[in-house]
Amino acid sequence: NAGVMQNPRHLVRRRGQEARLRCSPMKGHSHVYWYRQLPEEGLKFMVYLQKENIIDESGMPKERFSAEFPKEGPSILRIQQVVRGDSAAYFCASSPQTGLRDYGYTFGSGTRLTVV
Amino acid sequence: AQSVAQPEDQVNVAEGNPLTVKCTYSVSGNPYLFWYVQYPNRGLQFLLKYITGDNLVKGSYGFEAEFNKSQTSFHLKKPSALVSDSALYFCAFSSGGSQGNLIFGKGTKLSVKP
Repeated sequence: NAGVMQNPRHLVRRRGQEARLRCSPMKGHSHVYWYRQLPEEGLKFMVYLQKENIIDESGMPKERFSAEFPKEGPSILRIQQVVRGDSAAYFCASSPQTGLRDYGYTFGSGTRLTVV
Repeated sequence: AQSVAQPEDQVNVAEGNPLTVKCTYSVSGNPYLFWYVQYPNRGLQFLLKYITGDNLVKGSYGFEAEFNKSQTSFHLKKPSALVSDSALYFCAFSSGGSQGNLIFGKGTKLSVKP
């Protein structure tokens, strides 16, 4: 089992470009969560998705950020027109249907986005 | 607002000594509480969780935590620290039961010196 796979590990974008972050959940996991970690801070929840559905996006900025988890393929976190303040580590986590009761979330190694 | 607090930014311990990383919570109902560890440039690794039942929870790498309802605490402990335990530790709770997102504390940096 390869665990939660995130790519790329490091991403550098110029201001105004688009950033696409990918997350493949663990095999058998149908729930995906995205978190952002700013320097010297804890993780902040962004969005919770199941296949083809956004369940909770209360932590997503209202503009420029979007997420999807299609029927086939990885979950994508998309940031349009990036700004320096978007520089952070973005972590994806997955869980099975039973969620937290039987299983802590499994986190990927993250994508470190740097906006120059 | 519901939250968890980690009152110490950093904890320093000598190798072989017991360690405690503190966490207090302000959560209504029956909280689901978690501890995660993050090594440099890595994702978070699950250590242990409290859902219900026995207040003393044993987890990975010899860590344990005690759920104390009267003190609203969930401190992480280990009887004998290792240098390799040096990392960033996060306390978290679930905002929505078994399917909720996790709300994290700010983290405590543990440094274990030989």
